[in-house]
Amino acid sequence: GAGVSQSPSNKVTEKGKDVELRCDPISGHTALYWYRQSLGQGLEFLIYFQGNSAPDKSGLPSDRFSAERTGGSVSTLTIQRTQQEDSAVYLCASSLALAGGRWDTQYFGPGTRLTVL
Amino acid sequence: DQQVKQNSPSLSVQEGRISILNCDYTNSMFDYFLWYKKYPAEGPTFLISISSIKDKNEDGRFTVFLNKSAKHLSLHIVPSQPGDSAVYFCAAPHTGNQFYFGTGTSLTVIP
Repeated sequence: GAGVSQSPSNKVTEKGKDVELRCDPISGHTALYWYRQSLGQGLEFLIYFQGNSAPDKSGLPSDRFSAERTGGSVSTLTIQRTQQEDSAVYLCASSLALAGGRWDTQYFGPGTRLTVL
Repeated sequence: DQQVKQNSPSLSVQEGRISILNCDYTNSMFDYFLWYKKYPAEGPTFLISISSIKDKNEDGRFTVFLNKSAKHLSLHIVPSQPGDSAVYFCAAPHTGNQFYFGTGTSLTVIP
């Protein structure tokens, strides 16, 4: 497909379990973002990958959250020891990165709805 | 602290009339603003943007207005159509990496 894909679309887990969320960006997009949207909140920035540079992890809410991007393409967001407050829709976006650190339009995936019981 | 705010969680408009969605921001360093549209079970899609060097940008039925002194922007949709029913987010990029999004306004266009 031509768009950003995410899997799974829905994930229900028990408190304390680990979860992995996957994002396949648009081919050729070097920038990849993770966001989450909790109920009644806006999109909250989590982490940003750009090519081979060190990721910007400044938005990760705790050390239970981590993400990696293998081969500059697929990304996995891992949440360890999930808590009920982690319940949210997790959105991935990719974009072309422009010169000089400027950004281009982000294309979002459909999201993964995570529910922690 | 919400740097981009959308104070109206929902809006209902009759088909054919104008829809006005509002957004306020607190950081005077923001120099670019975007509107995204989101349908249920889909990710947000880019709709229209505006640079701080402009006060208006128009694209078909969609116009975004920027009032820098008031730190306020608005999205006008005219005429509104039922297919415009969606959640609209305003956003501002900062430092090239982080994007600040509002909480969204759910627009319902009544046929």
